Amino acid sequence: DVKVTQSSRYLVKRTGEKVFLECVQDMDHENMFWYRQDPGLGLRLIYFSYDVKMKEKGDIPEGYSVSREKKERFSLILESASTNQTSMYLCASSLRAGPDTQYFGPGTRLTVL
Amino acid sequence: AQSVTQPDIHITVSEGASLELRCNYSYGATPYLFWYVQSPGQGLQLLLKYFSGDTLVQGIKGFEAEFKRSQSSFNLRKPSVHWSDAAEYFCAGGMIKAAGNKLTFGGGTRVLVKP
Repeated sequence: DVKVTQSSRYLVKRTGEKVFLECVQDMDHENMFWYRQDPGLGLRLIYFSYDVKMKEKGDIPEGYSVSREKKERFSLILESASTNQTSMYLCASSLRAGPDTQYFGPGTRLTVL
Repeated sequence: AQSVTQPDIHITVSEGASLELRCNYSYGATPYLFWYVQSPGQGLQLLLKYFSGDTLVQGIKGFEAEFKRSQSSFNLRKPSVHWSDAAEYFCAGGMIKAAGNKLTFGGGTRVLVKP
């Protein structure tokens, strides 16, 4: 079974802090994704990566950056957290290029005070 | 613009009754289509997917979905709902690109199951 893990289930940070969310997958997948999930808005793609050191903006990249130094690890960075970044963050991975099944981690619920 | 729409935000169904969740898509061509389920406190789990071929797709947990090109729809169905089916359901679509594998998700439908 594919396993996608996220570093924290719950996180509380203060406005202006730098926040790192880590995601690791164990199945040698090419593609990794970061989404945020808000009630009524579904999942919105922040960034994705289709290879090591390669990244592409999703639909809502503002205020976020990402890092993929190793194939199995994809980090989401909030350079200066703001209250409107309070949300559930989901990481996913998929094997192949082209639309393919994505495997999701359990999510990190981030609260910015 | 490419989009996936789930018209129903909430659906309440009695245990043992049938369930149908609606999904409409807007793409220039037939996209790849997926249904995911998210149980409380969990990540998303794939129920089924449609790439091509038979328009009636069988998935896990007794779910099926039917692709209808004429209606731009990919509705999810289950003949008899169990209490454990209470969850949020997401429809998603994507097109083949040279690189990357983006999916667009609908807003989700939360299903409540009455005893």
